[in-house]
Amino acid sequence: SYELTQPPSVSVSPGQTASITCSGDKLGDKYACWYQQKPGQSPVLVIYQDSKRPSGIPERFSGSNSGNTATLTISGTQAMDEADYYCQAWDSTPVVFGGGTKLTVL
Amino acid sequence: EVQLVESGGGLVQPGGSLRLSCAASGFTFSSYWMHWVRQAPGKGLVWVSRINSDGSSTSYADSVKGRFTISRDNAKNTLYLQMNSLRAEDTAVYYCAREEPVADAFDIWGQGTMVTVSS
Repeated sequence: SYELTQPPSVSVSPGQTASITCSGDKLGDKYACWYQQKPGQSPVLVIYQDSKRPSGIPERFSGSNSGNTATLTISGTQAMDEADYYCQAWDSTPVVFGGGTKLTVL
Repeated sequence: EVQLVESGGGLVQPGGSLRLSCAASGFTFSSYWMHWVRQAPGKGLVWVSRINSDGSSTSYADSVKGRFTISRDNAKNTLYLQMNSLRAEDTAVYYCAREEPVADAFDIWGQGTMVTVSS
């Protein structure tokens, strides 16, 4: 079965750039999307089709996907961005989520 | 307002059954494929099941195949998940989510309903 691998945790200082990776076999051949989940809340879509932002998502969120790795980048990270982030792709399963990355803004 | 509201969660004994509901509002429910995603306490998101817009096609994760049944009533704008032969490992928050075909992503999520399987 298809698997997506994310680092368990990433730390960033306020105002700096955070990068969260998601790895999977030939992931670049599929669309990847990203969800943000804050404690006690439902997931929120922040990036779809590799690099597109839904309405209402700040411009500091961006994405890319190539080869075996998709990357979520948060520029000028703010304290409010501290959350768990999950990548997701479509496969024969048909849906696969990464294990999630806890972003800490210190 | 576009909204999904789950209900039906609770405490159930191992081997028991439960039916979850997800009430949709603010959009044309019958036009969208719908999914169930679960999250065990302190763990990540796990896809559970999918149903197409008219209910004629369904898919399941291997872990629930043969025990869970997804269905929908487009006249009532409601998605269902019938869960039978429940196990401790089914304990989780269950979310319903809308699949946005243009985005190839889940653009709307419900608030979740907690299912606890324990004796």
